Order: sequence, then C-alpha cells, then structure tokens
Amino acid sequence: QVQLVQSGAEVKKPGASVKVSCKASGYTFTSYDINWVRQATGQGLEWMGWMNPNSGNTGYAQKFQGRVTMTRNTSISTAYMELSSLRSEDTAVYYCARIHDRGAPHDYWGQGTLVTVSS
Amino acid sequence: EIVLTQSPDFQSVTPKEKVTITCRASQSIGSSLHWYQQKPDQSPKLLIKYASQSISGVPSRFSGSGSGTDFTLTINSLEAEDAATYYCHQSSSLGTFGQGTKVEIK
Repeated sequence: QVQLVQSGAEVKKPGASVKVSCKASGYTFTSYDINWVRQATGQGLEWMGWMNPNSGNTGYAQKFQGRVTMTRNTSISTAYMELSSLRSEDTAVYYCARIHDRGAPHDYWGQGTLVTVSS
Repeated sequence: EIVLTQSPDFQSVTPKEKVTITCRASQSIGSSLHWYQQKPDQSPKLLIKYASQSISGVPSRFSGSGSGTDFTLTINSLEAEDAATYYCHQSSSLGTFGQGTKVEIK
C-alpha cells in the first residue's frame, strides 16, 4: 500500500534551518510529484511547492521563494523540504503529499511533521 | 496567485441535514478544483477531484459540482462522522487552498 512516512518533530531557533524528510513506499517514487503543504496550529492549509522526483524540477509558492528548497534522493525514495531563516510564524505541521502530475489532487499524504520555532 | 474563498467559515448542522459549501476562485480554473476533509490531528483526505469526480471509498453522500470560478461541495444526509473541516484546493496554477469550512454536528 502507498505510504509516505515523514521524519519526527523538530525544535529550531529563529534564524536556523530545518530539513524534513518524506519516505515513499508502495509505488514507483519517480512516477509521482511530491507537494509540500503546511498548517499552523488551528489554521488552514498552506501550499508551499512541488517537486518532480524524476527530473528534480521544482516550483515554489511566491511566499517561500528564496527560503525553501525541495530535493530528493531517488535511491532511497525520499523527498526533502528544507526551510531556512526560520521565524516563529513558521511553527506549523508540515505535510508531504503525492500527486500524479501537475494539476492533479493530493491523493496520499504523510502523517505530518511538527516544526516548532522558538528561542 | 489564485485566491480561493470558501463560504461559510463555520456551519452547525443536525444529522441527516444537507450541507452545502461553496468555493469561489479569483480567476477561472476550469475543473482543477479538489475537495478534502480533515479531522482533528489527522492528515487531510481527498473527497472529490476535478470538481465533480468521486473517489473510491468515499461515501456517495459527498458530491461536487461547478467549473470556472464557482464550485460546490454537497454532503447529503450528514452523519456524525462528517464533523470535520473541509478545504478546496486549486491545481490550475501552482496550488492554493481555501481557508476551510468547519462543520459541526448539533
């Protein structure tokens, strides 16, 4: 069965970076894009960007341009999302989600990773 | 950036009642509109794709309609387990979500 398993919770200081992983199983990793979505506590969903695991091509929401980097390691079917220059407003649960191709819905989601930014 | 505006933000409904949630896009997105359900402390779950296409395993009381800029999610005969927050999502241009609609059971 399709699974996306994310890395554990992180606590970071303002100004630091965080790298969240998303390990895929149950399907061919390079055949589906990975999107990243975040959700601050009690707030709605916020789309961050996409990555094509086959080509490595990415596309980011304008809000995160320059601060977010999405990468992958195809040998271990794992996608990564790194967010730099963290501030308290980045405290949120970060989700990876699979999409079949550009324009498709998110059909499978990871369990979420809580990133807390606090001094 | 395409903005999605959902209404209402909150709805309190009795079981078996019909629920209608709307999602309006700031520009035409064709049928690239999807609906998700999220319960507390859970990841979102895909309910409807491409405005009106059903998803395997999702109860038939959930349906979607619309195209262009105006979309609707309908829950016929609400059940207690449908208490959740519902989000629309556009994939026509990068991606954005609506602000969510919380459905509470009276």
